[in-house]
Amino acid sequence: QVQLVQSGPEVKKPGASVKVSCKASGYTLSDYGLTWVRQAPGQGPEWMGWITAYNTDTNYAQRFQGRVTMTTDTSTNTAYMELRSLRSDDTAVYYCTRNSGPYYISDYWGQGTLVTVSS
Amino acid sequence: DIQMTQSPSSLSASVGDRVTITCRASQTISHYLTWYQQKPGRAPKVLIFAASSRQSGVPSRFTGSGSGTEFTLTISSLQPEDFATYYCQQSFSTPRAFGQGTKVEVK
Repeated sequence: QVQLVQSGPEVKKPGASVKVSCKASGYTLSDYGLTWVRQAPGQGPEWMGWITAYNTDTNYAQRFQGRVTMTTDTSTNTAYMELRSLRSDDTAVYYCTRNSGPYYISDYWGQGTLVTVSS
Repeated sequence: DIQMTQSPSSLSASVGDRVTITCRASQTISHYLTWYQQKPGRAPKVLIFAASSRQSGVPSRFTGSGSGTEFTLTISSLQPEDFATYYCQQSFSTPRAFGQGTKVEVK
């Protein structure tokens, strides 16, 4: 069955970087698009960006441009999201999601990774 | 960028009630609209995609409608497991914004 398993919680200081991993099983990662979504405490989900199927392209939300990099490793079927220059308002749960079909629905989600930014 | 606005932000209802949630897009998104349900501590789950298509396994009491800029999610008879927060998301263009959510609480 399809599963996305993410790396564990992280605590970082302001200005640092974090790299979250998302290991896919039950399907080939590069056959589908993969989106990263974050959710700050008590807030709704926020779309950060995605990698298109077959790793042909990345598309990031403007507010993260220059600070985020999304990649995949086809040899391990794992995706990564790196966020740099962390601020306290980057504290959130970060999710990877598989995108399916012509409507790009996020049909499978990772369990989420809590990233806490605190001095 | 397309903005998504949900209303109400919260509502109180009883088991058996009919519940309607509205989602408006700041510009036309055709039928590129997905509804998610989220429970505390869990990832969102797809209920409805393409504005009105029910995801596999979703009970028939959940119905989506609309196109263009105005959409609704209706729960025909609220069940205890339906108390949760509901989000809409547009997938017409990037960034694929979410609405701010509607929390359905026990009356």
